[in-house]
Amino acid sequence: SQTIHQWPATLVQPVGSPLSLECTVEGTSNPNLYWYRQAAGRGLQLLFYSVGIGQISSEVPQNLSASRPQDRQFILSSKKLLLSDSGFYLCAWSMGGGAFFGQGTRLTVV
Amino acid sequence: ILNVEQSPQSLHVQEGDSTNFTCSFPSSNFYALHWYRWETAKSPEALFVMTLNGDEKKKGRISATLNTKEGYSYLYIKGSQPEDSATYLCASPYSGGGADGLTFGKGTHLIIQP
Repeated sequence: SQTIHQWPATLVQPVGSPLSLECTVEGTSNPNLYWYRQAAGRGLQLLFYSVGIGQISSEVPQNLSASRPQDRQFILSSKKLLLSDSGFYLCAWSMGGGAFFGQGTRLTVV
Repeated sequence: ILNVEQSPQSLHVQEGDSTNFTCSFPSSNFYALHWYRWETAKSPEALFVMTLNGDEKKKGRISATLNTKEGYSYLYIKGSQPEDSATYLCASPYSGGGADGLTFGKGTHLIIQP
């Protein structure tokens, strides 16, 4: 069966520090991978999606970037965090519609 | 990007009562409508995927209906229990169910009061 791992679960980072969130998927090949974010008082917003290694599409302009160095690995990064980057980040995978989510990372930028 | 709206934003319901809430979406170029249940500090759990106009799906005490012509879906919970407390999300694919992800509504935060 397919599983998705996301870490860390919580993170407190100072403004201006770098960020790296990692997500890996097991039990499937060539999945579509996604990063979503829920900011305070807002719904889930799609940040990035990837259909294959090295292929990244960004949905909204922001202070973040994503990379897919391996088929089942998706990384969310920032060189310098802003206060507005605080939120709950979810990694997800899908094949043919629908989405299966990781456990999420609560990021607080202070 | 699609415009997916959910109402109400939050809902308090007495244990044992039944309740329902709404998801609205553009009726043109409809492909599918997904419902998820999201508990705090957990990952969203898929409830239903609906594709056909007039479709009705059921999972225990939870059911959902779909009207693609007018662009809405209802989620019903019969005989609410405390464990039903969660945020309920609906989502629709950006286009054709392809790779470019789902657009989510902001969710309905349901609180069941004992």
